[in-house]
Amino acid sequence: DIQLTQSPSFLSASVGDRVTITCRASQGISSSLAWCQQKPGKAPKLLIYAASTLQSGVPSRFSGSGSGTEFTLTISSLQPEDFATYYCQQLNSYPLTFGGGTKVEIK
Amino acid sequence: EVQLVESGGGLVQPGGSLRLSCAASGFTFNDHYMDWIRQAPGKGLEWVARSRNKANSYSTEYAASVKGRFTISRDDSKNSLYLQMNSLKTEDTAVYYCARSIPGRSFDHWGQGTLVTVSS
Repeated sequence: DIQLTQSPSFLSASVGDRVTITCRASQGISSSLAWCQQKPGKAPKLLIYAASTLQSGVPSRFSGSGSGTEFTLTISSLQPEDFATYYCQQLNSYPLTFGGGTKVEIK
Repeated sequence: EVQLVESGGGLVQPGGSLRLSCAASGFTFNDHYMDWIRQAPGKGLEWVARSRNKANSYSTEYAASVKGRFTISRDDSKNSLYLQMNSLKTEDTAVYYCARSIPGRSFDHWGQGTLVTVSS
């Protein structure tokens, strides 16, 4: 199975901050990585797929990069509605797996 | 508008069975792969099972943790996805989400989830 390790697992930041979350895969997965956002009590929401393609309707302050084993999700200027938990997910092979999550909280 | 509505969750004893349903609307259901993903209380996301579309012979994939106990199925005439869960264990306690998936694009729409509690 492909393991995804996210760092940090917890992040405290202020509105307007630039935030970067890293996801490392235990083996190469090309660009077969997605990022989703989950708010408490809600279903996850797809943000980015194919490592760097923004899902329709997602604000442009979100961006993704990387390939192979190292990937990043960047929020260029954190907004109040961005405080949530973020997960990476690999689509390269079965079983499909998720990272452990990064909780972004208000500083 | 794409909508996915899960139902069928509840409290069940260890060793018991439960069948979850997901009613889909707002898109051409039979064109799409569909998945079940779960989230144990306070924990992260875990992919459970996939049903490919008719063009791919409705083939299926399962996580090792549920293989042999859970069965994913679909009825395209009813725009519905199902998850038959047998031999349930306490560790199967979770919110179960159905999700539409597009190969290479991940899960682009999710339902609101249904809670399954396995406890004596």
